[in-house]
Amino acid sequence: DAGVTQSPTHLIKTRGQQVTLRCSPKSGHDTVSWYQQALGQGPQFIFQYYEEEERQRGNFPDRFSGHQFPNYSSELNVNALLLGDSALYLCASSLGWAGEETQYFGPGTRLLVL
Amino acid sequence: QKEVEQDPGPLSVPEGAIVSLNCTYSNSAFQYFMWYRQYSRKGPELLMYTYSSGNKEDGRFTAQVDKSSKYISLFIRDSQPSDSATYLCAMSAGESGGGADGLTFGKGTHLIIQP
Repeated sequence: DAGVTQSPTHLIKTRGQQVTLRCSPKSGHDTVSWYQQALGQGPQFIFQYYEEEERQRGNFPDRFSGHQFPNYSSELNVNALLLGDSALYLCASSLGWAGEETQYFGPGTRLLVL
Repeated sequence: QKEVEQDPGPLSVPEGAIVSLNCTYSNSAFQYFMWYRQYSRKGPELLMYTYSSGNKEDGRFTAQVDKSSKYISLFIRDSQPSDSATYLCAMSAGESGGGADGLTFGKGTHLIIQP
């Protein structure tokens, strides 16, 4: 049974560019959440997708957007990249979105903005 | 004041010792509590999940939640060098608690088990 997978594993971009990160949830899960983890910090919640809609959003600007597909996979898009966007981007999947479900994390995509 | 406070360490203990890791929080709506282990440059791995106050044991790991003090703990017995990692506490209010949103994490404690 495949766990949460993310692609790519690493990415280097320059300021002002746009990036798209991808996530496939654990088999049987229908909810995907995205987190940003800066070096030496805990993950911070970006947003959550369920039934192809953004259900909840953390304190992140509109430059961060996402999408969920009918097969429950998801994309995170970041526009107009800033140096401060350099971080490990984590995807987590769960069955349901009420906040009590166990979230399983993928290995992350490490983004470096130069 | 951050919602979740966790000492970043590093915490260094000899192999075989009992390890105690802790978090405090300020949001009384939190009712779901988790501990994740994260190895360097990897994603977090769920260790323990607890609802409300009380204790939960799983092998060498014991999680404790004291909602009256807003304090949670993770104990690791018979610690091994392979336990060396960053331990993250995380919590959620849940929909019934008024906030069906993502997890709120501590900064993580870097644990080193010396052989």
